[in-house]
Amino acid sequence: DTGVSQDPRHKITKRGQNVTFRCDPISEHNRLYWYRQTLGQGPEFLTYFQNEAQLEKSRLLSDRFSAERPKGSFSTLEIQRTEQGDSAMYLCASSQGRSGSYNEQFFGPGTRLTVL
Amino acid sequence: GENVEQHPSTLSVQEGDSAVIKCTYSDSASNYFPWYKQELGKGPQLIIDIRSNVGEKKDQRIAVTLNKTAKHFSLHITETQPEDSAVYFCAASYNFNKFYFGSGTKLNVKP
Repeated sequence: DTGVSQDPRHKITKRGQNVTFRCDPISEHNRLYWYRQTLGQGPEFLTYFQNEAQLEKSRLLSDRFSAERPKGSFSTLEIQRTEQGDSAMYLCASSQGRSGSYNEQFFGPGTRLTVL
Repeated sequence: GENVEQHPSTLSVQEGDSAVIKCTYSDSASNYFPWYKQELGKGPQLIIDIRSNVGEKKDQRIAVTLNKTAKHFSLHITETQPEDSAVYFCAASYNFNKFYFGSGTKLNVKP
């Protein structure tokens, strides 16, 4: 399977704990996006990378959230001191990210976070 | 920033009928408008998209129209089938940077 993969698929944690999610984009995709989706809502943009550079962060991404893409391949999203309001589906997407090319986003299956 | 509004939130149609979902956007700089289908427990999947230099695009039973002046775009599904039942999202983006999504439409196609 050469699609976008995310790990873990489900995470249950207690309030105050730190969690880290991983996203593996489609091979040779330069751009990688993170979104958060709560029940009954559309995905909300969190941040995106062009290769290893983080180009933009949403105001939704508080100081407790950090994302990295150290070698321009996989990415991690860490949430520190989780709160119940962080419970959501965290989606990753990737695209070619090349000027002049078709930059369709391909989404992964998501990581569902439950904070107790 | 961009604001995308989507209507209706739920839509129920009889198999074989047509379904129309509408979205409006606020930022005239947006130039790419994709539509996604999301099934339970899965990530969104692109079903059709349109760029701002095109007014209409069709792919078999699915079509999208764009009115840049009015800043709205619509998804049209003809000859609906039960497997079309899912949640549909519209989105808007400027140059494939940030994507802003609508709140979704739950489509139910009754056999």
